[in-house]
Amino acid sequence: GENVEQHPSTLSVQEGDSAVIKCTYSDSASNYFPWYKQELGKRPQLIIDIRSNVGEKKDQRIAVTLNKTAKHFSLHITETQPEDSAVYFCAASIKGSSSASKIIFGSGTRLSIRP
Amino acid sequence: NAGVTQTPKFQVLKTGQSMTLQCAQDMNHEYMSWYRQDPGMGLRLIHYSVGAGITDQGEVPNGYNVSRSTTEDFPLRLLSAAPSQTSVYFCASSFGQGSGKVSYEQYFGPGTRLTVT
Repeated sequence: GENVEQHPSTLSVQEGDSAVIKCTYSDSASNYFPWYKQELGKRPQLIIDIRSNVGEKKDQRIAVTLNKTAKHFSLHITETQPEDSAVYFCAASIKGSSSASKIIFGSGTRLSIRP
Repeated sequence: NAGVTQTPKFQVLKTGQSMTLQCAQDMNHEYMSWYRQDPGMGLRLIHYSVGAGITDQGEVPNGYNVSRSTTEDFPLRLLSAAPSQTSVYFCASSFGQGSGKVSYEQYFGPGTRLTVT
């Protein structure tokens, strides 16, 4: 069935190092892959997204890569800073029963940056 | 521009009670959705709508009803509350492009924290 799996569930990295979070999806028709950041007690907010006609997208210290053949995509954060500590969610568009797409989320990764 | 608003912020219900969580957006977004967030389980889609008069089920629709009579509002009804429905509920909206097309960036409301005793 429709599924988005996310790994790892927790990640701790030294400040200044890189962090990588990986997701896989099951629907070959998925064509939109957003990443959201959620700080404690707040709502999720989009940090970057990618569409299926693109293999990689960068925005300053954040990048997302997509491998459509393998049905996986990854979030890369370089030069991590304390304010990067949060829960990160991947998501994918999945075809619904009415042919319109819906957005299904992974289970989240709690990223901690060690000073 | 208020964005996505949700009421109430907090609610405590007894088992068996019913209630409606309100969600409204003023961005003329076609696509609206409801998620519940439980510890360690991410955001699970309850119901979604691609426009007024059109709704569809998500991953966990049982025990919840929705309707979309206007573009702005998308209320979520709990028919008979159960302790398993204790959660944080988020409403979100985006510029969908109609049937068969991709929805874009979702804007989330501040959430409603619901406790069922």
